[in-house]
Amino acid sequence: DVKVTQSSRYLVKRTGEKVFLECVQDMDHENMFWYRQDPGLGLRLIYFSYDVKMKEKGDIPEGYSVSREKKERFSLILESASTNQTSMYLCASSAPRVHEQYFGPGTRLTVT
Amino acid sequence: GNSVTQMEGPVTLSEEAFLTINCTYTATGYPSLFWYVQYPGEGLQLLLKATKADDKGSNKGFEATYRKETTSFHLEKGSVQVSDSAVYFCALSDGANAGGTSYGKLTFGQGTILTVHP
Repeated sequence: DVKVTQSSRYLVKRTGEKVFLECVQDMDHENMFWYRQDPGLGLRLIYFSYDVKMKEKGDIPEGYSVSREKKERFSLILESASTNQTSMYLCASSAPRVHEQYFGPGTRLTVT
Repeated sequence: GNSVTQMEGPVTLSEEAFLTINCTYTATGYPSLFWYVQYPGEGLQLLLKATKADDKGSNKGFEATYRKETTSFHLEKGSVQVSDSAVYFCALSDGANAGGTSYGKLTFGQGTILTVHP
């Protein structure tokens, strides 16, 4: 069965901390995505990656960076966490030319 | 750019009522259309999809038809259950660009919260 896992379900960090969110998929998918989900705004794409070491900015990349050193793992990095980055973060993956995305359970991040 | 607009929520229904959640889109190219569902405490999962005009996607009693002339993909279910309570997202994929490349990026609507009472 297809599986996308995220390192934490809940995370509380302080303003200014560096935060790492990890995502792992076991489907050998080329494409991986990071979204944030906020009430009334739906899901917004932060970054995506279509291959190892390749990355593209999404719609709201400011304040975030990503890393993809291995095909199965895609990390989201908040260089200096701020309170406006309090949100639900969702990771997803998909195969090339197949637009169905598989989602992880999400990480609810609170920055205080 | 691409955009998706869903009807405002929340939607509250009694069990066995008829459900419609409206979704309209703006897109270039030939997008595929999706409905995703998010149950409490979980990530999103694909509910149904349609890849070309006039296609009907269906799953678990839900249906949606890809209407290119009205740029719509409304979700319907004839008789909802308490277990259908969830957040529903309409989404479209980016069509292939001039170079024939598509990374499968999705554009989501804002989500509609559905609550079904016994």
